[in-house]
Amino acid sequence: AQSVTQLGSHVSVSEGALVLLRCNYSSSVPPYLFWYVQYPNQGLQLLLKYTTGATLVKGINGFEAEFKKSETSFHLTKPSAHMSDAAEYFCAVRLSSGSARQLTFGSGTQLTVLP
Amino acid sequence: DTEVTQTPKHLVMGMTNKKSLKCEQHMGHRAMYWYKQKAKKPPELMFVYSYEKLSINESVPSRFSPECPNSSLLNLHLHALQPEDSALYLCASSQVGQGAGGYTFGSGTRLTVV
Repeated sequence: AQSVTQLGSHVSVSEGALVLLRCNYSSSVPPYLFWYVQYPNQGLQLLLKYTTGATLVKGINGFEAEFKKSETSFHLTKPSAHMSDAAEYFCAVRLSSGSARQLTFGSGTQLTVLP
Repeated sequence: DTEVTQTPKHLVMGMTNKKSLKCEQHMGHRAMYWYKQKAKKPPELMFVYSYEKLSINESVPSRFSPECPNSSLLNLHLHALQPEDSALYLCASSQVGQGAGGYTFGSGTRLTVV
């Protein structure tokens, strides 16, 4: 079984400040990890994913995340927040073993960017 | 084509109506999914189709009836819904098997039951 915990349901940062959204996971086998972003009244857009290989993963819109197995974490960062980054962010985990299996989502973090 | 297309984008239906949501992808993905999302909540899995066969039904009420006519299409038939079924309905697709990555989501259908 797998689970995801996102620490902080709401995060506010000033424009230009560092964005840090926290995600911890639990998985019985090596996981695939994802960050999705959702803008109001839209679907989910994949920001980045970790499957195998390099533990620092770069995604779209300047976001990156680092897979830390020892800490069971996959935190999302961006060096400088932009107003357009305001959205809901979901961390998700999927087992690396085969077949069609569902993503398990965290509860989400609403990011507010202050001018 | 790297998109999942959902139609309609908005739907208002009465509790006695029958309607269908449609989802289409041409990425060669052999797994397709229906999710329900309420405001300020993560998506909740409803159904999973793998190679056009229903593989997971998360105890969804029978007023929701999924259908996968071929590897590119996924429908969700709606009948006798309740106001609490109002939500954003998301379709997604993915590869199947080891090495499979994330899901590609559609933009959703905003459903309002009156």
